[in-house]
Amino acid sequence: NAGVMQNPRHLVRRRGQEARLRCSPMKGHSHVYWYRQLPEEGLKFMVYLQKENIIDESGMPKERFSAEFPKEGPSILRIQQVVRGDSAAYFCASQLGLQETQYFGPGTRLLVL
Amino acid sequence: RKEVEQDPGPFNVPEGATVAFNCTYSNSASQSFFWYRQDCRKEPKLLMSVYSSGNEDGRFTAQLNRASQYISLLIRDSKLSDSATYLCVVNSMTEKLTFGTGTRLTIIP
Repeated sequence: NAGVMQNPRHLVRRRGQEARLRCSPMKGHSHVYWYRQLPEEGLKFMVYLQKENIIDESGMPKERFSAEFPKEGPSILRIQQVVRGDSAAYFCASQLGLQETQYFGPGTRLLVL
Repeated sequence: RKEVEQDPGPFNVPEGATVAFNCTYSNSASQSFFWYRQDCRKEPKLLMSVYSSGNEDGRFTAQLNRASQYISLLIRDSKLSDSATYLCVVNSMTEKLTFGTGTRLTIIP
């Protein structure tokens, strides 16, 4: 059973460009979470999705950030008009059901020049 | 006040020693508690869940004190491979995990 997959593993963008981060959950998992880890800081919750639904987006910045988890395909975290402060590691986690263990993907390291 | 607080360390400990990490959380409604381990530039990996009765997994022992809102992790007979950052993690009814900033541990040969 493959683990959580994320791609790309590394992404370099210039200020003002768009960044698209993809996450494929473990087989059978329908709960997906996105977390962000700024340099030298702990992980911070961003958004919780189930198939075709955003359940909790309380950790998402109000502008430029969006997330989706379509019926088919991976979950996408989209950052429009990136700024240097968006440079961070973005981790996706998937979960089989409520109160089950969350398993993390290897992360996407975004660098904004 | 941070929701989950940990001593950031670093802890530099000789191989074979015992090391203890502490963590406090502010939300009394928190339901689930965990220790995760994160190696440098890697993803967090679940080390163990923490239960009120205390639980042990080999060299690792975790304790939870709900009254004091305090969680601990004890590592006995530490090994070089234990070097990592240890993350105290709390889960409320909303499912999202709240992470402490982590305690960095280095085991010295």
